[in-house]
This record gives sequence, structure tokens and C-alpha cells, in this order.
Amino acid sequence: DVKVTQSSRYLVKRTGEKVFLECVQDMDHENMFWYRQDPGLGLRLIYFSYDVKMKEKGDIPEGYSVSREKKERFSLILESASTNQTSMYLCASSFGSAANTGELFFGEGSRLTVL
Amino acid sequence: AQKITQTQPGMFVQEKEAVTLDCTYDTSDPSYGLFWYKQPSSGEMIFLIYQGSYDQQNATEGRYSLNFQKARKSANLVISASQLGDSAMYFCAMRGMNTGFQKLVFGTGTRLLVSP
Repeated sequence: DVKVTQSSRYLVKRTGEKVFLECVQDMDHENMFWYRQDPGLGLRLIYFSYDVKMKEKGDIPEGYSVSREKKERFSLILESASTNQTSMYLCASSFGSAANTGELFFGEGSRLTVL
Repeated sequence: AQKITQTQPGMFVQEKEAVTLDCTYDTSDPSYGLFWYKQPSSGEMIFLIYQGSYDQQNATEGRYSLNFQKARKSANLVISASQLGDSAMYFCAMRGMNTGFQKLVFGTGTRLLVSP
């Protein structure tokens, strides 16, 4: 089974802290994604990566950065957390082949609260 | 740009009845894919069903079927014989095959409650 693992299910941080959210997948997927989920807004793409050291901005990249040093790991970084970054963060991965449907495999989510 | 619209914030259905969750989309991409995901209260996103824009037949997966009407740009999810375990958030999503690389664009979701 495909497994996408997010390092923390729940985090509480203070305003201004640097926050790392880690995601690891074990299916050798080329693509990895970070989404943010808020009530009434659905899932919004923050950043994605289609290869090691490659990254592309999604729809809401402001206040975030990412790192992909190894194929299986994709990290989301909040350089200076703010209260409006309190949210559920979902990591996902998929195959890179154009012949594939592009189905995303998700982790269980990380619920971040910034005080 | 691609956009998914889910106009039903919440839906109620009785156990064993069928329910339709609405989804409309907008894209300029001639080739695209449509997805439905289920998110129970535990939070994980579960893939349900996929429809390609050039697929001739509507997709089905067990009790789930996708009512694909290309001219109307709609991709409604039909759940037959609802079960209590179907209570969850449901998200419609799409991927343009020629644009936007392989990222999925999601709708705002519909919360389904199944009553006994």
C-alpha cells in the first residue's frame, strides 16, 4: 500500500516561531504536494515538487517555503509562523507519468495552531 | 485557470437511500481528469473515483458512480444505498492534462450526513 506519512498530527506553536512540517512517501512518487485545508475554502495548493530540488509555487505560497532534498521527503517550512497560518496541512504524492490519472495519495494531515 | 464549484455545503440522506453530490467545473484544457475524494472525521483523504474527459462511459466504483455531463461541465457523484459510514466531507477535484502540470484543483466540499 502507498503510504504518505506526516511527522506530526497536531502542533501548537507561537507567533514568530519557525515551523517544519515533514512528509515522507514510500512509493517512489515523483510528485509531492502541500495543501492547506480551511473550512469553506476547501484545499488550496501551497507548493509542489516534481523532482528532487525542484519546486513550484501553488496558489497560496506567501509565508511558506519548501525543501525537497530526497525523492521521498518533502518539507514545508513556515519561517515565522503567524496566527493566520493556523490550519490543517495535507501532504500528498503522485506518480509523474503523464499516462497516469494523477491520483493523489494523501497523508493524515497536520493540524497546526499558532498562538 | 481551472475551477471547481460545489454548491452544496451540506446534504442529508437517510440510510439506504441514494444521494447526489453536485460538482461543476471550468477549464480551457481540452483534456482533463475529474476526481472525487472522501474525508471522514479522522481527516485522511480517500480517493473514490476518477473520470477522464475522453472516457465514453461514466465511471463506477462499487456504490459510487460519477454522472459526467461534459456539455454541462458537471461531474456529480452518486452514492447508492447510503450507509452510516458514508457520513463525511466529499471533495470534487480536477486536473488539466495539458496545463497546471499534475496538480489537482479542489472544490470547497460537501458535508454529507447519513441518518439511520
